[in-house]
Amino acid sequence: AQSVTQLDSHVSVSEGTPVLLRCNYSSSYSPSLFWYVQHPNKGLQLLLKYTSAATLVKGINGFEAEFKKSETSFHLTKPSAHMSDAAEYFCVVSVATNAGKSTFGDGTTLTVKP
Amino acid sequence: DVKVTQSSRYLVKRTGEKVFLECVQDMDHEKMFWYRQDPGLGLRLIYFSYDVKMKEKGDIPEGYSVSREKKERFSLILESASTNQTSMYLCASSFISPQGGGYEQYFGPGTRLTVT
Repeated sequence: AQSVTQLDSHVSVSEGTPVLLRCNYSSSYSPSLFWYVQHPNKGLQLLLKYTSAATLVKGINGFEAEFKKSETSFHLTKPSAHMSDAAEYFCVVSVATNAGKSTFGDGTTLTVKP
Repeated sequence: DVKVTQSSRYLVKRTGEKVFLECVQDMDHEKMFWYRQDPGLGLRLIYFSYDVKMKEKGDIPEGYSVSREKKERFSLILESASTNQTSMYLCASSFISPQGGGYEQYFGPGTRLTVT
């Protein structure tokens, strides 16, 4: 079994300040973890992924995430928020043994204030 | 780049109509998925397919069926549309990540369906 918990449903930051979106997971097997971003009325776009290689993963648009097995976490960070980062973010876990199905978190809405 | 396309961005249908949502991917992915997305409920898996003519129910299959006659195309069918099927529908395709582990999914732009 696998599950994902996004700890904040809404996060608000000021432009130029750091972003932290928190994600905890549970999985019976070695997981792959993903962060996706969704802008209004658009599909989901892959930001970054962890697949058992380096634990610090860099993605697009300056985002990165660190896989911490001991804490079962995969938090998403960005040093300096931009107005265009305002969107909904989803943390996703999947394992090869689960027939390709992924488990999505409920999403975190990021607001960026000018 | 992987491209997943959906036949319509916006669709308005009447209650009781049969509705077809089409999804096409161009990367020869084995697996394809249909999700619906509703405010406060996140993404919920309706059906997925792991090969041509193969399908498996997801978490909320009631009121839906699917068809996969060709590898690149996965159709979602609402046999008799109802107002509670008004939603955003997202299609995705996936492969096994080269490093092993789970499945990276590529999403289409979504179809916003309104049933009146």
